[in-house]
Amino acid sequence: EAQVTQNPRYLITVTGKKLTVTCSQNMNHEYMSWYRQDPGLGLRQIYYSMNVEVTDKGDVPEGYKVSRKEKRNFPLILESPSPNQTSLYFCASSYPPGTGNLRLYGYTFGSGTRLTVV
Amino acid sequence: GQQLNQSPQSMFIQEGEDVSMNCTSSSIFNTWLWYKQDPGEGPVLLIALYKAGELTSNGRLTAQFGITRKDSFLNISASIPSDVGIYFCAGRRNYGQNFVFGPGTRLSVLP
Repeated sequence: EAQVTQNPRYLITVTGKKLTVTCSQNMNHEYMSWYRQDPGLGLRQIYYSMNVEVTDKGDVPEGYKVSRKEKRNFPLILESPSPNQTSLYFCASSYPPGTGNLRLYGYTFGSGTRLTVV
Repeated sequence: GQQLNQSPQSMFIQEGEDVSMNCTSSSIFNTWLWYKQDPGEGPVLLIALYKAGELTSNGRLTAQFGITRKDSFLNISASIPSDVGIYFCAGRRNYGQNFVFGPGTRLSVLP
């Protein structure tokens, strides 16, 4: 089954304790992205990656890091989490924007990771 | 960054009623997407629109790409309980650019 898998689904941590949220896709997508979802603000892009070793900042990158060493994986790293990073996080993947079958332009999202930083 | 507005923010309807919601942008877009997010899950693509005036259906859902290219509309006919969720629009100005998402419309369907 084609899917984007995030782990963990739920995480409670303390301020300053480094954490990593993993994301893996099995669709051979070049493009991957991280979003955070907060009430009333919708989905805001944190970082994205056009391909292996190519990453770029989205709209709200502060406090986050990413890496793209392999095509299928795109982990999100919080080096020193703070309470304002409490949120629902989504990973998404797709074929490169602007290429391929028009029906494939949409992103496939993971099921989300609910992070609480206390 | 670019801003998308969705209206209404939330709505409560009776089962069987039709639903209309819209999404507006201050910029001209060349692609609009509509997603639905079920409680506890990630968004799932419903409909994609690629040119002004386009009208596309997916079952009871119909979406339109506004003529001005600054808006899009989603209609749901004869709502059912499983239509409950948050509906997001997303748009982009040019091919190759990232999509920007709206804040969502939360739909509740009363039996």
